Amino acid sequence: DTAVSQTPKYLVTQMGNDKSIKCEQNLGHDTMYWYKQDSKKFLKIMFSYNNKELIINETVPNRFSPKSPDKAHLNLHINSLELGDSAVYFCASSHPDRDTGELFFGEGSRLTVL
Amino acid sequence: DAKTTQPPSMDCAEGRAANLPCNHSTISGNEYVYWYRQIHSQGPQYIIHGLKNNETNEMASLIITEDRKSSTLILPHATLRDTAVYYCIVKGGTSYGKLTFGQGTILTVHP
Repeated sequence: DTAVSQTPKYLVTQMGNDKSIKCEQNLGHDTMYWYKQDSKKFLKIMFSYNNKELIINETVPNRFSPKSPDKAHLNLHINSLELGDSAVYFCASSHPDRDTGELFFGEGSRLTVL
Repeated sequence: DAKTTQPPSMDCAEGRAANLPCNHSTISGNEYVYWYRQIHSQGPQYIIHGLKNNETNEMASLIITEDRKSSTLILPHATLRDTAVYYCIVKGGTSYGKLTFGQGTILTVHP
């Protein structure tokens, strides 16, 4: 069983479109994250939710809106896609302890904006 | 969170130990050292973490110097599947899962 699963794995779309990436974890974790890995391979946190509440928002443009319908899901919706949004987006989850640095990452969703 | 410095790349022969260094000279008392790796086209994978004592698990060993200003990740018997980017991350205790990834070390294991 996949612990953290993301869909779709690949997404190619035109500038200006709106798209969503879904994430689900079956680890029973309370905290979930979205990280972005750009073309230079730098990984940066975007958002974190703990028990469906937003706890980290790293100055991400408000075109990006995370939504957590329940503790096991954290979806990422992106409006008005721009070329610079092309990246690999990783979802992750962790044990409900705010001190932990042990994250479980999904396989990533590669977004290409044309 | 403290900044880390790692060599950009390293090579290792299959079956030998791979020793990956990391400098974190500005680490503070409550910050942990975490190691992750990212195999090509996969998500990052947690390896090990420690505060001041050496740690070992089924994947690797972590040696932290007494002054905590540097550490070494040891893969005791490297295999070709260990070829990956290895990230050393220093993380404080109150930042949830906010990990600051640097450029990491590209480890290439040769046959």
